[in-house]
Amino acid sequence: GAGVSQTPSNKVTEKGKYVELRCDPISGHTALYWYRQSLGQGPEFLIYFQGTGAADDSGLPNDRFFAVRPEGSVSTLKIQRTERGDSAMYLCASSVRFYQETQYFGPGTRLLVL
Amino acid sequence: GNSVTQMEGPVTLSEEAFLTINCTYTATGYPSLFWYVQYPGEGLQLLLKATKADDKGSNKGFEATYRKETTSFHLEKGSVQVSDSAVYFCALKGTGGFKTIFGAGTRLFVKA
Repeated sequence: GAGVSQTPSNKVTEKGKYVELRCDPISGHTALYWYRQSLGQGPEFLIYFQGTGAADDSGLPNDRFFAVRPEGSVSTLKIQRTERGDSAMYLCASSVRFYQETQYFGPGTRLLVL
Repeated sequence: GNSVTQMEGPVTLSEEAFLTINCTYTATGYPSLFWYVQYPGEGLQLLLKATKADDKGSNKGFEATYRKETTSFHLEKGSVQVSDSAVYFCALKGTGGFKTIFGAGTRLFVKA
């Protein structure tokens, strides 16, 4: 079946603009995670959803970052007033249940803030 | 807090050489431990995992043993291939938690 998909694959924006990054998890997966990966680093946890609710958003760096998952499937990561330091690869992953430890990752969205 | 430290790369080996990538962790309780791999142009994928002390995870000829006494989870392969060239990430998930903590990654180059 289809894996986790993310759109767009690349996003270039200007400092101060608003961006939305989309994640389509594997069908039937109730757990969804967002990570941020800077060049030469490992993924850094941002937020975790179980169903429609954010069970843990402690990794969001500040209040410019927000994520939603209104119907328990597709999720959108929203970044307001982007800064150059937000440039990174944003990864989404899903798993069957929150306690299932195998996460399936999408290909990522590379965000560049000029 | 929980953390993962893995050896810096890049690691360059000739085909059929023995591979070790060191990984140590800091965590309370009994975390689950993972190795993920990222092949060029592809997304992260789980390579192997171990959920309790002395467990050995294995896949595609790679192995790693959960050593609680040394807080380590070193990745090994007896004979690497060119197709193993990738970035390898050690990771842990704490007891009862949702977060997976990743190391910085180790890039492996295998020469024919």
